[in-house]
Amino acid sequence: ETGVTQTPRHLVMGMTNKKSLKCEQHLGHNAMYWYKQSAKKPLELMFVYNFKEQTENNSVPSRFSPECPNSSHLFLHLHTLQPEDSALYLCASSQERQSNEKLFFGSGTQLSVL
Amino acid sequence: AQTVTQSQPEMSVQEAETVTLSCTYDTSESDYYLFWYKQPPSRQMILVIRQEAYKQQNATENRFSVNFQKAAKSFSLKISDSQLGDAAMYFCAYAGNNRKLIWGLGTSLAVNP
Repeated sequence: ETGVTQTPRHLVMGMTNKKSLKCEQHLGHNAMYWYKQSAKKPLELMFVYNFKEQTENNSVPSRFSPECPNSSHLFLHLHTLQPEDSALYLCASSQERQSNEKLFFGSGTQLSVL
Repeated sequence: AQTVTQSQPEMSVQEAETVTLSCTYDTSESDYYLFWYKQPPSRQMILVIRQEAYKQQNATENRFSVNFQKAAKSFSLKISDSQLGDAAMYFCAYAGNNRKLIWGLGTSLAVNP
């Protein structure tokens, strides 16, 4: 399998649940990203990992907790979410963390918080 | 702060025709990168084309080309010979010195057979 794979594709959870989103890239990239895509809003960069180290956290609430155990895998752990957290969560990777880097995206996890 | 504006929420084009999607941006930087990404119904965002601001020549990728007007801060995408598979959301994005991508709200393109 090639590219960036995200699971699950859809997720419905209650506000008291704990769940995790998974992302795996088979491209040998060194940088991985979590983005949030909401209707009528620009894509929001949440977290960046470069060589497994978190390099950016863009004021994301602590109910979102990322984990990058190795350069191929990225997780987003969710707990006590709010209905406004319902969105499409996209994972992306790039060779390096540079301005001109081409991002490779997964197909996202459509999250609904009830 | 940099901003990216896509003024056309929706566009449509007839198959085999040409369509142009507009994008304007605001920045005080002189060196930056501009991108067009496509998001089809599969939701997987794909890079269509990339332009370096220091290059005067407009980028092209097969049927896709850009009209980059640095002074006007305009970066439009032209799709020639439109195909049904071109139907998607198209996002314009800017990346400057802080390496953070600034995204527009997108243009939904419909291709009519």
